[in-house]
Amino acid sequence: DAMVIQNPRYQVTQFGKPVTLSCSQTLNHNVMYWYQQKSSQAPKLLFHYYDKDFNNEADTPDNFQSRRPNTSFCFLDIRSPGLGDAAMYLCATSPQIFRDQPQHFGDGTRLSIL
Amino acid sequence: AQKITQTQPGMFVQEKEAVTLDCTYDTSDQSYGLFWYKQPSSGEMIFLIYQGSYDEQNATEGRYSLNFQKARKSANLVISASQLGDSAMYFCAMREHNNNDMRFGAGTRLTVKP
Repeated sequence: DAMVIQNPRYQVTQFGKPVTLSCSQTLNHNVMYWYQQKSSQAPKLLFHYYDKDFNNEADTPDNFQSRRPNTSFCFLDIRSPGLGDAAMYLCATSPQIFRDQPQHFGDGTRLSIL
Repeated sequence: AQKITQTQPGMFVQEKEAVTLDCTYDTSDQSYGLFWYKQPSSGEMIFLIYQGSYDEQNATEGRYSLNFQKARKSANLVISASQLGDSAMYFCAMREHNNNDMRFGAGTRLTVKP
């Protein structure tokens, strides 16, 4: 089945130690998104790629970066994680940016900071 | 700016009964899409149902239906014949025409009681 896959499901890192979360998709969608979701809150959009074009949300901390080497893969890099970065990170895709297209989510990576 | 409001932090429903989860939205755009997602405790976001702003009929998908009242800017989710597996967080979301962003409400935690 075509899907969005996030690895790992659970990630533990140390305060200040860089960490990379990965997302892959077999849907061949043009748009890929990264969301941060803290406990009992709505997902918050960090940034997205429309094909190769990177779009950063205005309030996304500089600590967070992303790479999309090809259509299938997208990475979230956290350069120096702080305790406040502990959260669920969700990757999503959509074919285009039209209003009638739902986003398809992966299972998420739950990040813990020691 | 888009704004999605879910006024019910938590809801309880008896198994086999119907339940309505409220969602109101605010947009100045005439063309937009409304979505409902289910998020079980395991974390994945599952797309349930979509309603377009120009759709005259209320959307239905199996036990899910969307009570769309455009003039009131509300898009309530109705779940019929609730099952124990319906216990989860439910998020209402909106996407404006040709807008990469999908904005989510704060969510409603639904608990189905046996």
